[in-house]
Amino acid sequence: TQLLEQSPQFLSIQEGENLTVYCNSSSVFSSLQWYRQEPGEGPVLLVTVVTGGEVKKLKRLTFQFGDARKDSSLHITAAQPGDTGLYLCAGLIQGAQKLVFGQGTRLTINP
Amino acid sequence: NAGVTQTPKFQVLKTGQSMTLQCAQDMNHEYMSWYRQDPGMGLRLIHYSVGAGITDQGEVPNGYNVSRSTTEDFPLRLLSAAPSQTSVYFCASSYSRLRRADTQYFGPGTRLTVL
Repeated sequence: TQLLEQSPQFLSIQEGENLTVYCNSSSVFSSLQWYRQEPGEGPVLLVTVVTGGEVKKLKRLTFQFGDARKDSSLHITAAQPGDTGLYLCAGLIQGAQKLVFGQGTRLTINP
Repeated sequence: NAGVTQTPKFQVLKTGQSMTLQCAQDMNHEYMSWYRQDPGMGLRLIHYSVGAGITDQGEVPNGYNVSRSTTEDFPLRLLSAAPSQTSVYFCASSYSRLRRADTQYFGPGTRLTVL
């Protein structure tokens, strides 16, 4: 059983469309991170959210942490082919030195 | 700085063979960890270390051993490889014990196939 459920696992859309990726859990996390991974490389951190209800923006990407710190979302506006990749959410378990990852969302933006 | 380096990049083993995956970082990071990545499973924590001489188990530790004799190095040992250990392995490091806003830096990965 996955502690962090990420959805959808695959998403293929046209350039210019908007999309949202979700990361849900029944557990409370100290913080939640979003990573992006290119083929043949390790994940690279995009953002960390630490406060319930927090919203962070990174150009066309908007990240939100749920009020109860159990879920998060990544919204991309006007997607571009350069956004193509594997997006991973990861939560820091309270009181532990462990980061747990969701299954990942493989995003393809078609020109 | 080279960041986090991993060797080898690719490896093929036969069932029952042993090997060590190497991981090194030159950022003087205290926290280091090993993950495996399988299709549809995301990354799963194998072992981690909060400093030299200190290691602990993650979600999937069975079949793997680690040690941390120096701050820079955190090798992962497979004592008797099994096909179920076919995966991509990532090493990561962080400045200190994982705190709420810490960044983990990942290596480029080792793709391991066990026949």
